[in-house]
Amino acid sequence: NAGVTQTPKFRILKIGQSMTLQCAQDMNHNYMYWYRQDPGMGLKLIYYSVGAGITDKGEVPNGYNVSRSTTEDFPLRLELAAPSQTSVYFCASSYDQGYEQFFGPGTRLTVL
Amino acid sequence: QQQVKQSPQSLIVQKGGISIINCAYENTAFDYFPWYQQFPGKGPALLIAIRPDVSEKKEGRFTISFNKSAKQFSLHIMDSQPGDSATYFCAARGTGAGSYQLTFGKGTKLSVIP
Repeated sequence: NAGVTQTPKFRILKIGQSMTLQCAQDMNHNYMYWYRQDPGMGLKLIYYSVGAGITDKGEVPNGYNVSRSTTEDFPLRLELAAPSQTSVYFCASSYDQGYEQFFGPGTRLTVL
Repeated sequence: QQQVKQSPQSLIVQKGGISIINCAYENTAFDYFPWYQQFPGKGPALLIAIRPDVSEKKEGRFTISFNKSAKQFSLHIMDSQPGDSATYFCAARGTGAGSYQLTFGKGTKLSVIP
């Protein structure tokens, strides 16, 4: 099993550009999450999903959108990138809600 | 509003020593308290977790101590090794409407020196 995979590993965006961060898991987990990690700030939940077709906002959803058309995939969309979105983004999944979460390797995004 | 406060921010421990990281929470509705370990350039990985109905859980060199009345929990790393050098995050899982969310502490960077 590959676990949770994320692409790309690194990306530089210009202000106002858009992009999609990809996340996939092969553990057949219903629950998936997107976090952002800023230095010294821990992890903040952006969006989560409890299954295909069902998503909801986390603590810091502004400027982001998600979709969940399959159990495996949970892409995160950034529209009109801003410097405040410079961060490391982690996708995670879990079998049970909120319990043991498996994290991907992260995407380091810089917005200039 | 930070609901899980973690200390210290950074910690330097001699090889073979005991590393202690503390967390305090405010929300009494939390029902699961995991610790995650993160190496540079990697995603966090679950290290050990505890539920509030027990006061201590031990897995190898790692122990969680939990004080429900004080709303505090801590991670103890016995016989600390240079390979333990990483950033550690405590977290807490909410119940009810917040049950999908883990609230994370800000992290502790541990350096174990030979």
